[in-house]
This record gives sequence, C-alpha cells and structure tokens, in this order.
Amino acid sequence: EIVLTQSPATLSLSPGERATLSCRASQSVDTYLAWYQQKPGQAPRLLIYDTSNRATGIPVRFSGSGSGTDFTLTISSLEPEDFGVYYCQQRGNWPPIFTFGPGTTVDIK
Amino acid sequence: QVHLVESGGGVVQPGRSLRLSCAASGFTFSSYGMHWVRQAPGKGLEWVSLISFDGKYKYYPESVKGRFTISRDNSKNTLYLQMNSLRAEDTAVYYCAKDLDYLGIPGWLDPWGQGTLVTVSS
Repeated sequence: EIVLTQSPATLSLSPGERATLSCRASQSVDTYLAWYQQKPGQAPRLLIYDTSNRATGIPVRFSGSGSGTDFTLTISSLEPEDFGVYYCQQRGNWPPIFTFGPGTTVDIK
Repeated sequence: QVHLVESGGGVVQPGRSLRLSCAASGFTFSSYGMHWVRQAPGKGLEWVSLISFDGKYKYYPESVKGRFTISRDNSKNTLYLQMNSLRAEDTAVYYCAKDLDYLGIPGWLDPWGQGTLVTVSS
C-alpha cells in the first residue's frame, strides 16, 4: 500500500506570502497525484489533478509540480480565503485504490 | 451544475446495517464512475469505494472489503453504499463524489457532496 506523508503539518503565513506544501509517497506514483482543499464544515474541493492540472474554476495562484515520490502544491500569493486543510491524494495503478495524505493546515495570520 | 446530495446517515448500533444514498443531478450520471469517501470526526479523508459508470466494476480498500457494497441505479441517478457489520470505527461523515474521468481513467474526485454523518454507537 502506498503511504502519503505531508509536510509541514501546519503552515502559518500572512496574506500575500507564498505557501509551499509538500507531499511524499512511499513509492512512485508517477504523476498520479491530486490536491484538495477543505474548509471547516465543508466538503473537500479538487484543486489540482494529475500533478499539475488545475481543476475548473481554480485560481492561477494554485500550482502543482513533481513526479515519482515528491510533489509540491504552491500558492503563489495567499488570499484570506485560502485558509483550510490541504490533502494530497494518489491513485494506484492497478487495482485502482486511492489514498490520501494526513493533510497540511494553512493558517492565515 | 453538478449537484450531489447524500442521505441515509444516522445513529446505528454496532453490528447493524445502514444504506446511504447519493442523488445526482446536473450531469450524465450513467457516464461517470462514482466514489464514496469518509472522514471520521476531526480526522483526515479515507477513500471507501469506487464504482464504474456501468456498475460492472467495484473497488474497496481492505478496511471495508466484505462489509461495504457500492451500487448504483442509473435509471434513478442514484448511488448507494450498503454498510453491514458496522463498527465504532466506521463513525464518520460519508461523502459521495463524482470521478473526473480524466483521460478515461478513474482517479480524481470532483465535485463532492456535502456528506451525511454515520454514528455507530450502542
């Protein structure tokens, strides 16, 4: 089973700052990695899929990169509405089994 | 606009069963794979199941295999999750989600419903 780890656990930044979130897989997931944002009391929302593709309606300040075992979600300039928990997720090749990382909490100072 | 509405959650005793439903609208339901994902109170996300667009193929993690069954009724635009032999550790908000179907391969969940809470307790 592929395990995802995320770092840091918590990130406290001010609006306008750059946020860099990391996700590491226990073995290669190729480019099969996504990022989701979840705000308190809400369902998760897909931000990035297949490592670097922005989902519909996602602002350009969100970008994803990486391959193999190391991936990064970057928020170029934080907006106040970007607070929340960010999860990475991988899809297994075969059978299609999906796992999520433990999440990174982004606090807006 | 895609809309997913879960229902069927509630309080159930350990060992009992519960069936969740997810009513879908705003897209051609019969063309997309669908997922269930759960989130225990204050915890992270755990994928629970995937069903192919035609209901032929179903996938589960080991934690629920043999106890949970995913199904769908494309004539009713509805997804189901039958949960048997429930345990305290199954307590969670259960979300249904549409698969993005990027390049015809299941993998990305978009969008998600608002979830329904299942509490397993005596």
